[in-house]
Amino acid sequence: AQTVTQSQPEMSVQEAETVTLSCTYDTSENNYYLFWYKQPPSRQMILVIRQEAYKQQNATENRFSVNFQKAAKSFSLKISDSQLGDTAMYFCAFRAIGNDMRFGAGTRLTVKP
Amino acid sequence: GAGVSQSPRYKVTKRGQDVALRCDPISGHVSLYWYRQALGQGPEFLTYFNYEAQQDKSGLPNDRFSAERPEGSISTLTIQRTEQRDSAMYRCASSLASYGTSGSTDTQYFGPGTRLTVL
Repeated sequence: AQTVTQSQPEMSVQEAETVTLSCTYDTSENNYYLFWYKQPPSRQMILVIRQEAYKQQNATENRFSVNFQKAAKSFSLKISDSQLGDTAMYFCAFRAIGNDMRFGAGTRLTVKP
Repeated sequence: GAGVSQSPRYKVTKRGQDVALRCDPISGHVSLYWYRQALGQGPEFLTYFNYEAQQDKSGLPNDRFSAERPEGSISTLTIQRTEQRDSAMYRCASSLASYGTSGSTDTQYFGPGTRLTVL
């Protein structure tokens, strides 16, 4: 069974600084996808970034980047130049090909002015 | 609209009543997924469809929960004889491609959710 662990229930960062959110997962699969979703106070679920396990290059989307360590089964999210609008719950998710998506419990990030 | 829509956004019902939650996916999206999210937790998979065919319902908690997507577009999640423990946010998501394909076309886009409260 696949499991996703986010070990940081809450984090905070000062505006304009950088923060890293941790995620680890457990799987015996070799081909899979990893995601970070953002859930702001509106409770929408917004895709932040996606990584295919077969790609060695870490995905980046503007201020968001990941550090994907396949051997360690680690998938951390780095947010650079944090903005007040980044305040949200962040969920790490895993999906093996042909299987359903599994989410972590989330990390509540607060960006302080 | 361009996104996934769900209705109603809020539903309050009494224990023992049946409820039907609706999901309207992004136009042209083949796959549709249902999740349940308890407060402070991540979404939990319930079931999904490719077109009108229900592919996996292993996440449905019990036989009071059912889902359909008869014409391969709009889907309804029905909970019969609701119980207080059914209270949660129910989320729908859709993706362009069917499950199991590679590439970004299988990325899931979520709707705003239906908050169900069972009294």
